[in-house]
Amino acid sequence: KAGVTQTPRYLIKTRGQQVTLSCSPISGHRSVSWYQQTPGQGLQFLFEYFSETQRNKGNFPGRFSGRQFSNSRSEMNVSTLELGDSALYLCASSLSAGGRPDTQYFGPGTRLTVL
Amino acid sequence: AQSVTQPDIHITVSEGASLELRCNYSYGATPYLFWYVQSPGQGLQLLLKYFSGDTLVQGIKGFEAEFKRSQSSFNLRKPSVHWSDAAEYFCAVGARSGGYNKLIFGAGTRLAVHP
Repeated sequence: KAGVTQTPRYLIKTRGQQVTLSCSPISGHRSVSWYQQTPGQGLQFLFEYFSETQRNKGNFPGRFSGRQFSNSRSEMNVSTLELGDSALYLCASSLSAGGRPDTQYFGPGTRLTVL
Repeated sequence: AQSVTQPDIHITVSEGASLELRCNYSYGATPYLFWYVQSPGQGLQLLLKYFSGDTLVQGIKGFEAEFKRSQSSFNLRKPSVHWSDAAEYFCAVGARSGGYNKLIFGAGTRLAVHP
């Protein structure tokens, strides 16, 4: 079974632009979570989507948003990019049978650099 | 609030030596517990997890971890380290309630292995 895939793997943007990152979960997984990883703040939870609904959200500004499609693929969007948004963005999927918390499997991440 | 502490930022061991990475958590009840490993420029790979049952759990690559409720700890061990184990290791907790897949991560422990 294929793992979690994320595209693109690398992105370079300038301040003020917006960016969209994509995540394809493991087949059959209904939950997709997003995390931001930076040297200063470590790994921080952004949000989780389950059956196309945002189920939980971390402490990030409204510039960070996401969505999930009917095939469980997910996108996250960051608008009005700031230098501090430079990070590795990780997507994780889980089976979450019955909607319960479950083991999360991570993709390779998208490395975003904001200049 | 949930939190995870990994007291050791860097650890260096010799190849063939034993290893123990410490993890302490703060949570109102018994959480789900995980150890992940990250190689440079890569995503997170699940080493092992504890949901319930036997408090000594076995994982991949010869790793094991022991859940100690009285000490709020979930330390990772390996009897004999290989050079390929050099990486960063993250302990994480997940909530049992709420139906959410949200992981709280520790700051990570970077492991170096000397030949």
